[in-house]
Amino acid sequence: NAGVTQTPKFQVLKTGQSMTLQCAQDMNHEYMSWYRQDPGMGLRLIHYSVGAGITDQGEVPNGYNVSRSTTEDFPLRLLSAAPSQTSVYFCASSYGEGTEAFFGQGTRLTVV
Amino acid sequence: TQLLEQSPQFLSIQEGENLTVYCNSSSVFSSLQWYRQEPGEGPVLLVTVVTGGEVKKLKRLTFQFGDARKDSSLHITAAQPGDTGLYLCAGADNNDMRFGAGTRLTVKP
Repeated sequence: NAGVTQTPKFQVLKTGQSMTLQCAQDMNHEYMSWYRQDPGMGLRLIHYSVGAGITDQGEVPNGYNVSRSTTEDFPLRLLSAAPSQTSVYFCASSYGEGTEAFFGQGTRLTVV
Repeated sequence: TQLLEQSPQFLSIQEGENLTVYCNSSSVFSSLQWYRQEPGEGPVLLVTVVTGGEVKKLKRLTFQFGDARKDSSLHITAAQPGDTGLYLCAGADNNDMRFGAGTRLTVKP
Protein backbone atom coordinates (compact mmCIF):
# COMPACT_ATOMS: atom_id res chain seq x y z
CA ASN A 1 0.00 0.00 0.00
CA ALA A 2 1.73 3.17 -1.19
CA GLY A 3 -0.96 5.58 0.13
CA VAL A 4 0.17 9.18 -0.44
CA THR A 5 3.60 9.63 -1.99
CA GLN A 6 5.40 12.96 -1.99
CA THR A 7 8.59 13.80 -3.82
CA PRO A 8 11.16 15.09 -3.17
CA LYS A 9 11.68 14.65 0.59
CA PHE A 10 14.18 17.49 0.79
CA GLN A 11 14.86 20.45 -1.48
CA VAL A 12 16.98 23.59 -1.36
CA LEU A 13 16.10 26.41 -3.73
CA LYS A 14 17.59 29.79 -4.45
CA THR A 15 15.33 32.81 -4.23
CA GLY A 16 13.49 33.27 -7.52
CA GLN A 17 13.75 29.67 -8.66
CA SER A 18 10.63 27.68 -9.49
CA MET A 19 9.86 24.07 -8.75
CA THR A 20 7.07 21.54 -8.49
CA LEU A 21 6.36 19.37 -5.48
CA GLN A 22 4.81 16.10 -6.56
CA CYS A 23 1.97 14.28 -4.79
CA ALA A 24 0.32 11.05 -5.86
CA GLN A 25 -2.25 8.83 -4.14
CA ASP A 26 -3.43 5.36 -5.07
CA MET A 27 -6.60 5.20 -2.94
CA ASN A 28 -8.94 6.73 -5.54
CA HIS A 29 -9.67 9.62 -3.18
CA GLU A 30 -11.54 12.61 -4.56
CA TYR A 31 -10.22 15.14 -2.01
CA MET A 32 -6.61 16.24 -2.06
CA SER A 33 -4.94 19.10 -0.23
CA TRP A 34 -1.63 20.82 0.28
CA TYR A 35 -0.56 22.18 3.66
CA ARG A 36 2.51 23.91 4.95
CA GLN A 37 3.68 23.40 8.51
CA ASP A 38 5.69 26.03 10.33
CA PRO A 39 6.74 26.08 14.00
CA GLY A 40 3.92 27.29 16.23
CA MET A 41 1.54 27.64 13.28
CA GLY A 42 0.33 24.11 12.82
CA LEU A 43 -0.83 23.03 9.39
CA ARG A 44 -2.10 25.78 7.11
CA LEU A 45 -4.07 24.97 4.01
CA ILE A 46 -2.56 26.21 0.74
CA HIS A 47 -4.84 24.77 -1.96
CA TYR A 48 -7.26 21.90 -2.17
CA SER A 49 -9.21 19.93 -4.75
CA VAL A 50 -12.52 18.11 -4.48
CA GLY A 51 -12.01 16.21 -7.72
CA ALA A 52 -10.20 16.12 -11.04
CA GLY A 53 -10.39 19.48 -12.79
CA ILE A 54 -11.51 21.34 -9.63
CA THR A 55 -9.20 23.32 -7.37
CA ASP A 56 -9.71 26.04 -4.80
CA GLN A 57 -7.65 28.29 -2.57
CA GLY A 58 -7.05 27.71 1.10
CA GLU A 59 -5.72 30.04 3.80
CA VAL A 60 -2.30 30.83 2.29
CA PRO A 61 -2.43 30.41 -1.51
CA ASN A 62 -0.20 33.29 -2.61
CA GLY A 63 2.93 32.20 -4.46
CA TYR A 64 1.60 28.71 -5.18
CA ASN A 65 -0.29 27.13 -8.07
CA VAL A 66 -1.98 23.76 -8.33
CA SER A 67 -3.71 21.68 -10.96
CA ARG A 68 -5.65 18.42 -10.83
CA SER A 69 -5.69 16.78 -14.23
CA THR A 70 -6.12 13.26 -12.80
CA THR A 71 -7.63 11.81 -9.62
CA GLU A 72 -4.23 10.45 -8.59
CA ASP A 73 -1.97 13.49 -8.92
CA PHE A 74 -2.00 16.93 -7.31
CA PRO A 75 1.26 18.83 -7.93
CA LEU A 76 2.10 22.07 -6.13
CA ARG A 77 4.08 24.67 -8.06
CA LEU A 78 6.18 27.41 -6.53
CA LEU A 79 6.39 30.10 -9.18
CA SER A 80 9.24 32.21 -7.78
CA ALA A 81 10.56 30.88 -4.49
CA ALA A 82 10.97 33.25 -1.56
CA PRO A 83 12.64 32.65 1.84
CA SER A 84 9.16 32.97 3.44
CA GLN A 85 8.25 29.73 1.66
CA THR A 86 10.80 27.79 3.69
CA SER A 87 8.63 25.19 5.39
CA VAL A 88 7.60 21.57 5.52
CA TYR A 89 4.92 20.80 2.95
CA PHE A 90 2.39 18.01 3.35
CA CYS A 91 0.02 16.59 0.79
CA ALA A 92 -3.11 14.81 2.00
CA SER A 93 -5.96 12.90 0.44
CA SER A 94 -9.34 11.79 1.73
CA TYR A 95 -12.49 10.12 0.53
CA GLY A 96 -14.66 13.15 1.23
CA GLU A 97 -15.36 16.08 3.54
CA GLY A 98 -14.77 15.23 7.19
CA THR A 99 -13.34 11.80 6.46
CA GLU A 100 -9.90 10.57 7.46
CA ALA A 101 -7.08 12.46 5.77
CA PHE A 102 -4.05 10.42 4.76
CA PHE A 103 -0.81 12.37 4.65
CA GLY A 104 2.41 11.96 2.77
CA GLN A 105 5.72 12.04 4.62
CA GLY A 106 6.32 15.67 3.75
CA THR A 107 8.79 17.73 1.75
CA ARG A 108 11.23 19.89 3.67
CA LEU A 109 11.89 22.95 1.53
CA THR A 110 14.55 25.55 2.23
CA VAL A 111 14.75 28.74 0.18
CA VAL A 112 18.02 30.62 0.48
CA THR B 1 -5.62 33.93 13.79
CA GLN B 2 -6.22 30.21 13.92
CA LEU B 3 -9.73 28.96 13.29
CA LEU B 4 -9.04 26.28 15.90
CA GLU B 5 -7.20 27.22 19.10
CA GLN B 6 -5.39 24.45 20.92
CA SER B 7 -4.14 24.58 24.48
CA PRO B 8 -1.73 24.17 26.00
CA GLN B 9 0.84 24.67 23.26
CA PHE B 10 3.42 22.60 25.15
CA LEU B 11 2.99 20.01 27.88
CA SER B 12 5.70 18.03 29.65
CA ILE B 13 4.67 15.42 32.19
CA GLN B 14 5.98 12.33 33.95
CA GLU B 15 5.02 8.82 32.94
CA GLY B 16 1.83 7.73 34.70
CA GLU B 17 0.25 11.19 34.95
CA ASN B 18 -3.09 12.12 33.43
CA LEU B 19 -3.56 15.06 31.09
CA THR B 20 -6.16 16.90 29.07
CA VAL B 21 -5.63 19.03 25.99
CA TYR B 22 -8.22 21.29 24.43
CA CYS B 23 -9.36 22.41 21.02
CA ASN B 24 -11.67 25.43 20.84
CA SER B 25 -13.31 27.43 18.09
CA SER B 26 -16.02 30.02 17.58
CA SER B 27 -17.19 28.05 14.53
CA VAL B 28 -19.45 25.04 14.37
CA PHE B 29 -18.01 22.00 12.62
CA SER B 30 -19.79 19.10 11.00
CA SER B 31 -17.05 16.86 12.36
CA LEU B 32 -13.82 17.21 14.26
CA GLN B 33 -10.77 15.01 14.11
CA TRP B 34 -7.72 14.42 16.29
CA TYR B 35 -4.39 13.52 14.74
CA ARG B 36 -1.02 12.60 16.21
CA GLN B 37 2.20 13.51 14.45
CA GLU B 38 5.67 12.19 15.14
CA PRO B 39 8.88 13.93 14.00
CA GLY B 40 9.56 13.54 10.29
CA GLU B 41 6.17 12.03 9.59
CA GLY B 42 2.75 13.22 8.49
CA PRO B 43 -0.17 13.34 10.94
CA VAL B 44 -2.08 10.12 11.55
CA LEU B 45 -5.76 10.05 12.45
CA LEU B 46 -6.69 9.04 16.01
CA VAL B 47 -10.45 9.66 16.00
CA THR B 48 -13.33 11.47 14.32
CA VAL B 49 -16.20 12.87 16.38
CA VAL B 50 -19.41 13.89 14.68
CA THR B 51 -22.26 14.25 17.18
CA GLY B 52 -22.43 17.04 19.77
CA GLY B 53 -21.71 15.60 23.22
CA GLU B 54 -20.12 12.50 21.75
CA VAL B 55 -17.47 10.68 23.78
CA LYS B 56 -15.11 8.17 22.19
CA LYS B 57 -12.53 6.03 23.91
CA LEU B 58 -9.42 4.60 22.33
CA LYS B 59 -7.61 2.57 25.00
CA ARG B 60 -6.19 5.23 27.38
CA LEU B 61 -7.39 8.13 25.22
CA THR B 62 -10.82 9.70 25.70
CA PHE B 63 -12.14 12.22 23.18
CA GLN B 64 -15.11 14.47 23.76
CA PHE B 65 -16.97 16.71 21.30
CA GLY B 66 -18.74 19.71 22.81
CA ASP B 67 -22.53 19.89 22.77
CA ALA B 68 -22.42 22.85 20.38
CA ARG B 69 -19.83 21.14 18.14
CA LYS B 70 -17.38 24.03 18.57
CA ASP B 71 -14.85 22.46 20.91
CA SER B 72 -13.27 19.18 21.83
CA SER B 73 -10.94 17.68 24.41
CA LEU B 74 -8.51 14.81 24.52
CA HIS B 75 -7.81 13.16 27.86
CA ILE B 76 -4.96 10.68 28.28
CA THR B 77 -4.90 8.43 31.34
CA ALA B 78 -1.61 7.14 32.72
CA ALA B 79 0.52 8.69 29.99
CA GLN B 80 3.41 6.68 28.60
CA PRO B 81 6.58 7.82 26.77
CA GLY B 82 5.08 6.37 23.59
CA ASP B 83 2.36 9.03 23.79
CA THR B 84 4.95 11.71 23.08
CA GLY B 85 4.11 13.67 19.94
CA LEU B 86 2.24 16.59 18.44
CA TYR B 87 -1.54 16.34 18.87
CA LEU B 88 -3.55 18.23 16.27
CA CYS B 89 -7.26 18.85 16.06
CA ALA B 90 -8.90 19.50 12.71
CA GLY B 91 -12.35 20.66 11.71
CA ALA B 92 -14.18 20.14 8.44
CA ASP B 93 -15.24 23.51 7.01
CA ASN B 94 -16.79 23.83 3.55
CA ASN B 95 -14.94 21.06 1.76
CA ASP B 96 -11.59 21.74 3.35
CA MET B 97 -9.96 20.73 6.58
CA ARG B 98 -8.51 23.33 8.95
CA PHE B 99 -6.01 22.44 11.65
CA GLY B 100 -5.12 23.90 14.99
CA ALA B 101 -1.48 24.68 15.85
CA GLY B 102 -1.25 21.58 18.02
CA THR B 103 -0.19 20.57 21.51
CA ARG B 104 3.33 19.21 21.76
CA LEU B 105 3.30 16.53 24.46
CA THR B 106 6.41 15.10 26.06
CA VAL B 107 6.07 12.18 28.47
CA LYS B 108 9.22 11.57 30.50
CA PRO B 109 10.01 8.07 31.76
